[in-house]
Amino acid sequence: AQKVTQAQTEISVVEKEDVTLDCVYETRDTTYYLFWYKQPPSGELVFLIRRNSFDEQNEISGRYSWNFQKSTSSFNFTITASQVVDSAVYFCALSEWGAQKLVFGQGTRLTINP
Amino acid sequence: SAVISQKPSRDICQRGTSLTIQCQVDSQVTMMFWYRQQPGQSLTLIATANQGSEATYESGFVIDKFPISRPNLTFSTLTVSNMSPEDSSIYLCSVGRGQYTEAFFGQGTRLTVV
Repeated sequence: AQKVTQAQTEISVVEKEDVTLDCVYETRDTTYYLFWYKQPPSGELVFLIRRNSFDEQNEISGRYSWNFQKSTSSFNFTITASQVVDSAVYFCALSEWGAQKLVFGQGTRLTINP
Repeated sequence: SAVISQKPSRDICQRGTSLTIQCQVDSQVTMMFWYRQQPGQSLTLIATANQGSEATYESGFVIDKFPISRPNLTFSTLTVSNMSPEDSSIYLCSVGRGQYTEAFFGQGTRLTVV
């Protein structure tokens, strides 16, 4: 069975600090996708990134970066120079190759204080 | 990307009644999914809506409680039947468009049962 664990329930930092959100996953599949979504207070899910299991390259998009390590089954997300607008709940998710239905972690509530 | 419209965006319902949530996509998609997010919790897959056949339900969810229709490749409905306060949640529709794309989500329906 697939499982995603986000051990950090809540994180609170001061604006401009860097913050890393942890995600550890379990799957028996050799091919799979990993995702990160942002859920602001309005409730919608905003897609941030998809990574397939073949690609272990780290990715950077502006202030966001992702570190995928297959050896430790982790897909961590770092926000550099955090801003108040980054305050949201962040979900890590996993899907089978081609299945598109997702298994979500419990989410991490990130609060950026001015 | 896919544009997904969910209706209603929110509702307050009396216990014992039923609510039908609509999900409309701007183009044909193969896969449509319904998720539930209970207050302060993560997202849990309710079922996969299959076009032309019965929905496929996940463990813990049954058709009598959550009947689903999918009359074509751009539309689906989820009904929450005989509601109780425990059904108060955000219900989200999701679609996938091929195995190489991210899953797209509607803005969600915030349901409160009183």
